[in-house]
Parts: sequence; structure tokens; C-alpha cells
Amino acid sequence: KAGVTQTPRYLIKTRGQQVTLSCSPISGHRSVSWYQQTPGQGLQFLFEYFSETQRNKGNFPGRFSGRQFSNSRSEMNVSTLELGDSALYLCASSLQASQETQYFGPGTRLLVL
Amino acid sequence: AQSVTQLDSQVPVFEEAPVELRCNYSSSVSVYLFWYVQYPNQGLQLLLKYLSGSTLVKGINGFEAEFNKSQTSFHLRKPSVHISDTAEYFCAVKGGGGSNYKLTFGKGTLLTVNP
Repeated sequence: KAGVTQTPRYLIKTRGQQVTLSCSPISGHRSVSWYQQTPGQGLQFLFEYFSETQRNKGNFPGRFSGRQFSNSRSEMNVSTLELGDSALYLCASSLQASQETQYFGPGTRLLVL
Repeated sequence: AQSVTQLDSQVPVFEEAPVELRCNYSSSVSVYLFWYVQYPNQGLQLLLKYLSGSTLVKGINGFEAEFNKSQTSFHLRKPSVHISDTAEYFCAVKGGGGSNYKLTFGKGTLLTVNP
């Protein structure tokens, strides 16, 4: 069974631009969560989607948003990029919402210049 | 709110030596506990998890961890490490205090295995 896939793997943007990241969960998994990883703040929860609905949200500004499609694939969007948004963005999938075990993808590394 | 403390940010060891990576958590209710490993330029791979039952949990690559409720610890151990175990290891907790939807991670421990 294929794992979680994320595209693109690397991305370079400039301040003020917006970016969209994509995540395809493990086949059969319906919940997708997003995390941001930075050297300073570590791994932080962004949000969780299940059945095309945002179920939970972390403590991030409204510039961070996401959505989930009927096939459980999810996209994350960051508008008006700031230098501090440079990070590794990780997607994790699980069978159901708030299920105990999450499986992570390889991440998308975003660099904002 | 729940939190995770990984007591060592870096742990250097020699190949074939035993290693213990320490993790303590704080939560007033039952939690699920996890160890993930991250190799350079990669995502997180699940090493092992404690959900319930036996407090000694065995994972992949010869790692094991012991859940100690009284000490709120979940230390990761391996009796003999290999060069290929060099990576960053993250302890995480899920559940408790209405936060059962997300993983709360420690800051990570960089394990460096030297020849």
C-alpha cells in the first residue's frame, strides 16, 4: 500500500506570494492533518480535515487555510507569505478523525525569500 | 494542556553501544504515546506506539520503549545501535484535555552513532 504523498517536495517563494501544497493520504484513510516543522518552534499542529470538513485547528493565523476533497486528498494554502513561514510542512493521514495513529508523508520544504 | 519534554537534545554514541532516549510527558488523563524517527530530508516514520496494555512496547529496527505512568515517562531504548540509526527522534503524545485530535511533540533528540 502506498504511503502518504506530498507535492511538491521543495518550493521557493518570495514574501507576499501565496502557495498551495498538496497531500494524498494512504488509500482508505479519510483524515488528513497538517503540521509545520521549524528549527525554532519544532513540530506544531496546523489543522485536521475529515470528510471534507475542517475538524480542528491549531494556533496559526488565518493566512493558513486548507481544504479536503471527496477523495480525501487535501491541500494547504498560505497567503501573503512571510519569511517566518519557511518550514517543512508535513501531512499525516489516519483512518478516521482524531484516530490515535497518524502516518506522515515526506513533507514539502518551503523557503520564503 | 499536555506537553512533552525530551531531556537530551543530542546523544552521541558509538556503534554497537546501547542507547536510551528520554521522554517525559505531562497530562492529567490517559494518553497515547509515540516515538517517530526523522532521517535527513525526510518525513516522520512511526517507530512504535503505546495505546494500552503491556507497558513494554516493541517497535521497528530493534527499538523498544517502556511506558511508566507513575513517572510519566516513555523512554526509548535500543541494546545495540548501528550507524544507520543516526537520525532525529521525536516523542509525541496524543489525547487528554480535549486534545485527542493532534500530536504534541517534544523538541527532538538527535542521535549520532559514531564508528
